[in-house]
Amino acid sequence: AQSVSQHNHHVILSEAASLELGCNYSYGGTVNLFWYVQYPGQHLQLLLKYFSGDPLVKGIKGFEAEFIKSKFSFNLRKPSVQWSDTAEYFCAVNAQGRDDKIIFGKGTRLHILP
Amino acid sequence: SAVISQKPSRDICQRGTSLTIQCQVDSQVTMMFWYRQQPGQSLTLIATANQGSEATYESGFVIDKFPISRPNLTFSTLTVSNMSPEDSSIYLCSGGAGGWNGELFFGEGSRLTVL
Repeated sequence: AQSVSQHNHHVILSEAASLELGCNYSYGGTVNLFWYVQYPGQHLQLLLKYFSGDPLVKGIKGFEAEFIKSKFSFNLRKPSVQWSDTAEYFCAVNAQGRDDKIIFGKGTRLHILP
Repeated sequence: SAVISQKPSRDICQRGTSLTIQCQVDSQVTMMFWYRQQPGQSLTLIATANQGSEATYESGFVIDKFPISRPNLTFSTLTVSNMSPEDSSIYLCSGGAGGWNGELFFGEGSRLTVL
């Protein structure tokens, strides 16, 4: 069964710092990959997604993620974070052609200091 | 994107009782799933709600404890039966748009506290 690992449980950064959140998945086949974000008091929403093609995908609010197939990774990055990026970030994977389930990582709680 | 509404948004329940959570989507969705998010934990998939047939449950979840209905493409219910304090959690309904590609829309969730 597929699984998702997020390396950082809790990250604290100052505004304008660069961000990289790690995500690794375990599944040998083709995958769809996602990052979801949950801002305080709000519901989960999609940040960005990868299905195929260019392994560097851009999402909303200046976020991007890079799919590295050889490393089974899909790390999330942002060059300069803002206080409004304070949220919980979840990496998720769907095994293409296998089933319809979306499996989530444990999440990373990001706290940006003003 | 679809808008998902859940009722109740929160409830406090007594041990041994059951509670049904309703999930309404404002448009037809191909896939519907129920997740649980316990405090400080990730989202755990409970089951896939199948229209007009029995839900597909994940390991560790059974129909007797979490019966699910999905009578059409816009509505589903999840019942948490014979609740115990360990069932205290946020229960999330999610839907996938037509041409299913794995992208999910989420409701606000239903926060259950079992005393």
